[in-house]
Amino acid sequence: DAGVIQSPRHEVTEMGQEVTLRCKPISGHDYLFWYRQTMMRGLELLIYFNNNVPIDDSGMPEDRFSAKMPNASFSTLKIQPSEPRDSAVYFCASSFGTGRYEQYFGPGTRLTVT
Amino acid sequence: SQQGEEDPQALSIQEGENATMNCSYKTSINNLQWYRQNSGRGLVHLILIRSNEREKHSGRLRVTLDTSKKSSSLLITASRAADTASYFCATASFSGSARQLTFGSGTQLTVLP
Repeated sequence: DAGVIQSPRHEVTEMGQEVTLRCKPISGHDYLFWYRQTMMRGLELLIYFNNNVPIDDSGMPEDRFSAKMPNASFSTLKIQPSEPRDSAVYFCASSFGTGRYEQYFGPGTRLTVT
Repeated sequence: SQQGEEDPQALSIQEGENATMNCSYKTSINNLQWYRQNSGRGLVHLILIRSNEREKHSGRLRVTLDTSKKSSSLLITASRAADTASYFCATASFSGSARQLTFGSGTQLTVLP
């Protein structure tokens, strides 16, 4: 089993540019989560989906951030325009909604905005 | 916001010793989970303990939960250099379709060979 797949693994961009992060969850999982991790703020939940529908986006920092899940095997997190303070590691995780509640994390995307 | 707070923030021990990390939380929970994060990697689930359980074991891991004190502890016995990582507790307060976890700030464990 491939686990949660994220791309790219590293992204360096200039302030003002659009950034798109991608995630493929584990097949059969019906929940998908996007997190951001920084030294200052730790691990923050940005948004999560159930059966491709956003359930809670209260963690999305501002309108520059948007996330979509067009189907059960793909999700994107977009930042437009990007700012230096968006620099962080972004994780995608997936899980089953019933029975087993542990989340499976991808390797993360390290974003640097200069 | 972070509900779980780990203590200590950093812990350094010798190989073979036991390591104990604590987690405190604020609201009622359905379950509490512990995760490990190696440097530069994603989090890996270690163990889950439900609110009606008091203790759980998995290999060299032992987790306890005291819901009256809103606290949990993770014990790693006979530690190895490979156990060096950050350890996070995460609380789950599920209702309806809500399935989010709230992660603490983590304990950085260093096991010296």
